Amino acid sequence: DSGVTQTPKHLITATGQRVTLRCSPRSGDLSVYWYQQSLDQGLQFLIQYYNGEERAKGNILERFSAQQFPDLHSELNLSSLELGDSALYFCASSSEGGTSVVDNEQFFGPGTRLTVL
Amino acid sequence: GESVGLHLPTLSVQEGDNSIINCAYSNSASDYFIWYKQESGKGPQFIIDIRSNMDKRQGQRVTVLLNKTVKHLSLQIAATQPGDSAVYFCAETSSYNTDKLIFGTGTRLQVFP
Repeated sequence: DSGVTQTPKHLITATGQRVTLRCSPRSGDLSVYWYQQSLDQGLQFLIQYYNGEERAKGNILERFSAQQFPDLHSELNLSSLELGDSALYFCASSSEGGTSVVDNEQFFGPGTRLTVL
Repeated sequence: GESVGLHLPTLSVQEGDNSIINCAYSNSASDYFIWYKQESGKGPQFIIDIRSNMDKRQGQRVTVLLNKTVKHLSLQIAATQPGDSAVYFCAETSSYNTDKLIFGTGTRLQVFP
């Protein structure tokens, strides 16, 4: 158990809908990262937050947004959902706030499986 | 559990044998690498990392080898156990863009008795 929790575990919705995925980092970790894992593209970095502020951005679509709250939990919002958004979404946390991933171990949650029908 | 990468290359080994999982990377500027293990229904788990100024690094039952000349990374698992069954990913980052990891597609390791 990494100490990172994600809810819900599974989510099934329809195209055009909006969903919110939730992540609670490990106790004491200030950085939260979101990743998308699809069958054809593997793990892709979406976005990083540190102590409430956006710190780094990856391949995140404009239809997606995230935020980190004062209690450090984070939410990933996915809107105008398309079939291609079906994937596993992982949250990871780390103690460091810098953008460098070097020597900054990330601990991954169990993921949320999103299915768009 | 969750299935990841239904069409991943698969390595099947017998319990007790050594496993070698390979990863080719494309960016010659990559200088930091990580191996992750992902078990069914779980998120990736850090195994071992290596910087480009090293050719080899050892952990507990695992060894990572880096060949920068051919841009190749390997993970060796000694005395493979059933609990080693998982998907293994390599990830890389470069010195001029250290804010994100680029992940490989992964290899599925199956251990049979």
